[in-house]
Amino acid sequence: EIVVTQSPGTLSLSPGERATLSCRASQSVSSSYLAWYQQKPGQAPRLLIYGASSRATGIPDRFSGSGSGTDFTLTISRLEPEDFAVYYCQQYGSSPPRYTFGQGTKLEIK
Amino acid sequence: QVQLQESGPGLVKPSGTLSLTCAVSGGSISSGNWWSWVRQPPGKGLEWIGEIYHSGSTNYNPSLKSRVTISVDKSKNQFSLKLSSVTAADTAVYYCAREGDHGYSIAYWGQGTLVTVSS
Repeated sequence: EIVVTQSPGTLSLSPGERATLSCRASQSVSSSYLAWYQQKPGQAPRLLIYGASSRATGIPDRFSGSGSGTDFTLTISRLEPEDFAVYYCQQYGSSPPRYTFGQGTKLEIK
Repeated sequence: QVQLQESGPGLVKPSGTLSLTCAVSGGSISSGNWWSWVRQPPGKGLEWIGEIYHSGSTNYNPSLKSRVTISVDKSKNQFSLKLSSVTAADTAVYYCAREGDHGYSIAYWGQGTLVTVSS
């Protein structure tokens, strides 16, 4: 089973700043199989990025994904107040477990 | 737009069976996508439980496989989760979900329902 590790655990930034969140897989992962989610308190996760770099429907272009192999990055170019939340990366497996999530990065207001 | 709604008891006794149903609206459960259950213990991360296709084919998380059954009812456009022999560690918000049209990610989520395991 591929293990997905996110860093940092918590990121403290101010609105308007750039956020860079990292996701590392224990084995090489197809870019098609890497996704990012945003979760706010009391809400379900929301798909932001699929296929490592494709934005989901309705996601602002300040969100971008990149990476390949074992290292992937979610970048938020200019933080808006509504962007402060927990972010999860997810890897899809060809055999179960189908979806493996990282432990999350909490993006908090500095 | 596909919408998902979980329902079921919010309290289950230890050693009992957790049972939840997910009603699908705005689309057919026979749409050609996989339908999943995901859970999240309070204050913790996300754990995929398993998935089902409209044909009845299933895949389960190996860590839960011995206790999980997911089934589909096409006539009611819904699918269900049963988790047996529950303990306090199974206390979580349970989400039903559907993969995106591009596959390999989950694009549609229910609002989630908290299930507490306690006597």
